[in-house]
Amino acid sequence: DQQVKQNSPSLSVQEGRISILNCDYTNSMFDYFLWYKKYPAEGPTFLISISSIKDKNEDGRFTVFLNKSAKHLSLHIVPSQPGDSAVYFCAASDRGAQKLVFGQGTRLTINP
Amino acid sequence: DVKVTQSSRYLVKRTGEKVFLECVQDMDHENMFWYRQDPGLGLRLIYFSYDVKMKEKGDIPEGYSVSREKKERFSLILESASTNQTSMYLCASRQANYGYTFGSGTRLTVV
Repeated sequence: DQQVKQNSPSLSVQEGRISILNCDYTNSMFDYFLWYKKYPAEGPTFLISISSIKDKNEDGRFTVFLNKSAKHLSLHIVPSQPGDSAVYFCAASDRGAQKLVFGQGTRLTINP
Repeated sequence: DVKVTQSSRYLVKRTGEKVFLECVQDMDHENMFWYRQDPGLGLRLIYFSYDVKMKEKGDIPEGYSVSREKKERFSLILESASTNQTSMYLCASRQANYGYTFGSGTRLTVV
């Protein structure tokens, strides 16, 4: 039972353009959502998060949007840079829970 | 900054060996986790611990055990390593209601 789904295994974007990574979830109890970025041979690093009381959170080039009615969140990266090439994982939890549930990941490649 | 340290970056072990993966965090977090990452499968939870000597099974605990004798240290044990346990293993710790901090990972190859 995959509660968090990233349906695109990979995405290729030209440098300078917008990258949009998508994530869907099924558990309506989830109220805290995060994005992690992972380079090869390294652990994931936290990128940005959003609480269910918001529908948007921005941090520099990164914006996360949450659509609770659709159970969908997305990560926008503008403008995309070569260093953004990595695997991106979305994650979710119920704030009362101890663990995060992760999606399968999307490999983002930024082309020069 | 919270630091989560995994003792080995790369390990090669033989089938049937007992394997210990060590993880230490330095920020007094209650919760610690072990995940494995495999292509197309994302991060799958093996075990987690919310306190010393406490442990909970995750989604894929078979073939693994854990030990948490001290708050800062969480060990993953492969009782008898098999080739299907070749993977990237990631340890994480978490302060309540916040996200995880991950270690750098251990790439384990079982031959």
